[in-house]
Parts: sequence; C-alpha cells; structure tokens
Amino acid sequence: AAGVIQSPRHLIKEKRETATLKCYPIPRHDTVYWYQQGPGQDPQFLISFYEKMQSDKGSIPDRFSAQQFSDYHSELNMSSLELGDSALYFCASSFGQGNQPQHFGDGTRLSIL
Amino acid sequence: AQKVTQAQTEISVVEKEDVTLDCVYETRDTTYYLFWYKQPPSGELVFLIRRNSFDEQNEISGRYSWNFQKSTSSFNFTITASQVVDSAVYFCALTTQGGSEKLVFGKGTKLTVNP
Repeated sequence: AAGVIQSPRHLIKEKRETATLKCYPIPRHDTVYWYQQGPGQDPQFLISFYEKMQSDKGSIPDRFSAQQFSDYHSELNMSSLELGDSALYFCASSFGQGNQPQHFGDGTRLSIL
Repeated sequence: AQKVTQAQTEISVVEKEDVTLDCVYETRDTTYYLFWYKQPPSGELVFLIRRNSFDEQNEISGRYSWNFQKSTSSFNFTITASQVVDSAVYFCALTTQGGSEKLVFGKGTKLTVNP
C-alpha cells in the first residue's frame, strides 16, 4: 500500500540558509500534520492542514511556514536556519477528522552545520 | 491540557521474555483517543493501535496486546515472547475530540531485546 512520501530524506544546510521539506500524503488522505523530533526526544507537533486550510498550529517558530496544495501535498519552509533546528521532521497524514490514525512518512533528517 | 507519561525510559529483556510498557495519560476531555507507535532504529514511526475512550475492551494482535483501564488512566502495551526485531522506541500518544487532533506523545520507552 502507498505510504506517506517525504523528500528529501536527508538535508544538510548551514546556519541562516533556507530549506523546504515536502510531503506527499497517502492517496485520499486530506489531512497533513508536521512534527519535529529532536535527538532522543518525542515528536513535537508543528502545524496541520485539513482540506488545504491550516487547522492547528503548535510550537512552530515564526521562521517556519507551511501550506497544503490543491493536490494535498504539503511543504514546510524553513528560513534563517539555526543549529537548534537540526532534527528529524515527520509528516503524517490521515483521512478526514475524527482523530483517525496518523500515518507517518520516514522523515527528513535535517542537519544544520 | 493533555499529558502522556511513560515512566520507563529504557527496558532490556532477553528474547522470548514477555514485557509490558506502561502508559499513563491525563486529559479533562471525556472523549479521547490513545495510540501506540513504534520507532525502530531506522527512524520511521509505525502506527500500532488506536483506541477510543469508550472502548475499554482489551485487544490482542499476534504477540501484541493492549490493556486499557480508564479507572487508572492507563493504556499499557504487552509484547509476548519478545524478539530481537521488537527492539525499538515505543511511544504512547493521545488526541482529544473537538479540539486539535495533534498527537501528544509520551517521552517514549526504549526497548532492547537481546538474543
């Protein structure tokens, strides 16, 4: 079965650079979530979209923005990168609302030098 | 506010032993959903189970079983006859109805199954 696709899998950037992470949800899933997982930490919610509209916002820095496109894929844009942004970034998707299981992609490992 | 506590940071067992991972949750909502996810060393997060607050029936799936007890706000996970491939970090998580559907995770329990 098709899963959530995230690209790139690995990304290395320097401080103050920008990065764009992409997420392609499972077909027919209309809800996308972004999470950030620091080393040895639990995933922390950043932002979510339902039917291309932002549905909730968590501890996402102002330097980050995201959107969901008409084909339901989502992009997380990160600017003025800092060393502390080094983490594993997960995208998850689900079908509809109602606390359906969120299925996660393999993550993008972002390293800031 | 919602909170999930996984008191066991790390557990180490020998293959074929049974092991139980504890999860205690806090929420003021009467309708909520509990989840378990597995994160193997390769890093991906794998969905294992979803349980809603109105269904206290225990569930078994192969070597995995889950015990949900509202009276103690616990949702424990037992692996029977553990295998080396079960080695991973296991996260318990919570969402509530009517509000954000974001997952609130516990800190995770790292399980190591030794041959």
